[in-house]
Amino acid sequence: GAGVSQSPSNKVTEKGKDVELRCDPISGHTALYWYRQSLGQGLEFLIYFQGNSAPDKSGLPSDRFSAERTGGSVSTLTIQRTQQEDSAVYLCASSSSANEKLFFGSGTQLSVL
Amino acid sequence: GDSVTQMEGPVTLSEEAFLTINCTYTATGYPSLFWYVQYPGEGLQLLLKATKADDKGSNKGFEATYRKETTSFHLEKGSVQVSDSAVYFCALTGGGYNKLIFGAGTRLAVHP
Repeated sequence: GAGVSQSPSNKVTEKGKDVELRCDPISGHTALYWYRQSLGQGLEFLIYFQGNSAPDKSGLPSDRFSAERTGGSVSTLTIQRTQQEDSAVYLCASSSSANEKLFFGSGTQLSVL
Repeated sequence: GDSVTQMEGPVTLSEEAFLTINCTYTATGYPSLFWYVQYPGEGLQLLLKATKADDKGSNKGFEATYRKETTSFHLEKGSVQVSDSAVYFCALTGGGYNKLIFGAGTRLAVHP
């Protein structure tokens, strides 16, 4: 596609429910990143994919968070048993290779009630 | 660990005023430095970058110089426009990939 696409754009869920957030990177981009933008925390790195593998998942805040990438393309970020502190904008970005320019999606606004 | 500190906002200016947004960093090694911008309703986009000391990044009238001696990367523009109203993020990366460490962001509001 023309840019990085994320879905849904908004997600409201109840505490304790699981959510899945989707990212479609720019076609051909091998590197994919997830970031989180929350009030009081700024923008924080979550995980980095090169192809389908994740050499750096050091930013995942707890074992309730997981992510996968299939076919070197689409990635899914899953949050299990959501908590109110998970409320944030989750941003996906991709680049043609590890050091090249990052392109960000518009994000998924997650609200946990 | 590596970190980025930028001036708190909001910064409110009149059109054609001079802009400075301060950014300092702490990092081991020799990071690359970036300014990203987030316009209302849009995703983050790269504004400019510098990859080594004394490099100057520039784009759309904005400039920033990589100052190793003061560990700074201040963003400047000589004459701001209303369309520059946005949130500006200073960031660094020191690894072999785009693991960006961001500052907290500075909101700029430019009035006619």
